[in-house]
Amino acid sequence: IAGITQAPTSQILAAGRRMTLRCTQDMRHNAMYWYRQDLGLGLRLIHYSNTAGTTGKGEVPDGYSVSRANTDDFPLTLASAVPSQTSVYFCASSDFSGGAADTQYFGPGTRLTVL
Amino acid sequence: GQNIDQPTEMTATEGAIVQINCTYQTSGFNGLFWYQQHAGEAPTFLSYNVLDGLEEKGRFSSFLSRSKGYSYLLLKELQMKDSASYLCAVRDGDYKLSFGAGTTVTVRA
Repeated sequence: IAGITQAPTSQILAAGRRMTLRCTQDMRHNAMYWYRQDLGLGLRLIHYSNTAGTTGKGEVPDGYSVSRANTDDFPLTLASAVPSQTSVYFCASSDFSGGAADTQYFGPGTRLTVL
Repeated sequence: GQNIDQPTEMTATEGAIVQINCTYQTSGFNGLFWYQQHAGEAPTFLSYNVLDGLEEKGRFSSFLSRSKGYSYLLLKELQMKDSASYLCAVRDGDYKLSFGAGTTVTVRA
């Protein structure tokens, strides 16, 4: 089934630990994105990648890093987790062309709790 | 930065119509999106407007006025399954999406 998968579905993590959230898409989209969603704040962009091999910072990049070694995978790493990173994390992808629709499609999300 | 405002909550009766307004101020504009998000699920795409006017898609319609920085999503013939959060998102001059906080719509029987 085409789409975006994320792993894990949920995770409880001790503060200070390192954690990588995985995201894989099979739609051959060139652009991928990581958002966090917090109550009352909506979705906020953490990092993005317009094409394999390139990444960029979004609105809230501090404490997070990403890599884009190939088209399909876009992992998000928390080097040393802090409680303020407790959130729901969504990965998205789009067929970025700078043109008309470029609709973003979202994965099912990862619910992360940092204690 | 981007500023996108939409009401926090709305309640309506099954079979009725609800209009969710969204106002925005962004640096550059390259389209406005509406997403639906059921509790505990991912956002799913509903509509896209880049030119002024109304786009109709079945029971859902979306309107855009670029000069006023204003959009609305119209949900007609409401069904219980329409109870969800509706997210307004604007694509800016750098082709990045900025989201409003979302409007939670509750449909009552």
